[in-house]
Amino acid sequence: GAGVSQSPSNKVTEKGKDVELRCDPISGHTALYWYRQSLGQGLEFLIYFQGNSAPDKSGLPSDRFSAERTGGSVSTLTIQRTQQEDSAVYLCASSLAGVKAGYEQYFGPGTRLTVT
Amino acid sequence: DQQVKQNSPSLSVQEGRISILNCDYTNSMFDYFLWYKKYPAEGPTFLISISSIKDKNEDGRFTVFLNKSAKHLSLHIVPSQPGDSAVYFCAASGRDDMRFGAGTRLTVKP
Repeated sequence: GAGVSQSPSNKVTEKGKDVELRCDPISGHTALYWYRQSLGQGLEFLIYFQGNSAPDKSGLPSDRFSAERTGGSVSTLTIQRTQQEDSAVYLCASSLAGVKAGYEQYFGPGTRLTVT
Repeated sequence: DQQVKQNSPSLSVQEGRISILNCDYTNSMFDYFLWYKKYPAEGPTFLISISSIKDKNEDGRFTVFLNKSAKHLSLHIVPSQPGDSAVYFCAASGRDDMRFGAGTRLTVKP
């Protein structure tokens, strides 16, 4: 069965450029999450979608970060005017229902972003 | 704000012995706790969970203990195997979010 997929797997970009990261959740999963893991750091929560709406955007590090989800499925995380500190592995996860229900999340392989 | 803390960045144990990974949290509104295991270059995978109404959940070699009054949970792996070597993340979920700890790198030596 298909798991969570993310693209691209690796992205190298120049400082100041915009990047778009894509996540395809498991079919039927209503909740979708974005995290990032910087070198030597734990998982940092970025944003969570329940369906197409994002009840919690508090984790987005700055207004350069935005995310959307359409059709209750695919999500894109956009980083504008990338900075070197944005370099990290960006992980997407999905679950059957939201965090309130305590459903475990299934993670994608991540997108490794390097800003030069 | 670090609402979930794993204070030990690494742990090394001998094969066959018990591994104990610890996690502390600060938010009393968390009501579900999960452990994830992560191998290099892969996304985390779910390992075991526990609801706040319980104090213990066991699944094979893995047992999670929850002490609500101390806001502390632990993951016990016994007996530890070399294949258990990975980074273990503790996670806590509440009404609308899930927070992860920084992870503990477990190394099981043969």
